[in-house]
Amino acid sequence: NAGVTQTPKFQVLKTGQSMTLQCAQDMNHEYMSWYRQDPGMGLRLIHYSVGAGITDQGEVPNGYNVSRSTTEDFPLRLLSAAPSQTSVYFCASSLGTGGTEAFFGQGTRLTVV
Amino acid sequence: GNSVTQMEGPVTLSEEAFLTINCTYTATGYPSLFWYVQYPGEGLQLLLKATKADDKGSNKGFEATYRKETTSFHLEKGSVQVSDSAVYFCALSDRTGTASKLTFGTGTRLQVTL
Repeated sequence: NAGVTQTPKFQVLKTGQSMTLQCAQDMNHEYMSWYRQDPGMGLRLIHYSVGAGITDQGEVPNGYNVSRSTTEDFPLRLLSAAPSQTSVYFCASSLGTGGTEAFFGQGTRLTVV
Repeated sequence: GNSVTQMEGPVTLSEEAFLTINCTYTATGYPSLFWYVQYPGEGLQLLLKATKADDKGSNKGFEATYRKETTSFHLEKGSVQVSDSAVYFCALSDRTGTASKLTFGTGTRLQVTL
């Protein structure tokens, strides 16, 4: 089982460049989300989606865009990268509400110079 | 809003020692509580969960009890192994929201030595 697949695993960007972090899941989960992980801050929610065509902002959405055209895919776009966006990014998916388990990808380590 | 506070690390223990990692939470509704573990170079994976007060989650020798009166969900293991070295995250999901909106603590790094 592939689960949640993120690409790329590592990326270095120059300030002002744009890029898309890819996330795909093969579990037919309705709920998908993006987090960033920074030292001493745990994981913070960037954007999430409760189904195809529906997205919403999380705790730290500025500088990021998302779309959800299919159930499987949930890409995260950085329109103009900044050094403050240097972080490890995780995509997650889950079946539903409340006590269901979230499945995480292996992460993308992004450095903006 | 929701928040999770867990003890700062790193925690360094000898193999077979007893482990406790404290976690307390603040939530407006009736949250579900989770412990996730992150091994080096990997994503997070669910270790255990509890969905209502007094529930005990357990897995791989780890356990945690949902204590509503103290708003706590402390992680314990009776005898740690070197293979338990990882970062442990306490998290909650508000039952009025969606599982996508997990609120995490800052993580506690555990290092187990021989």
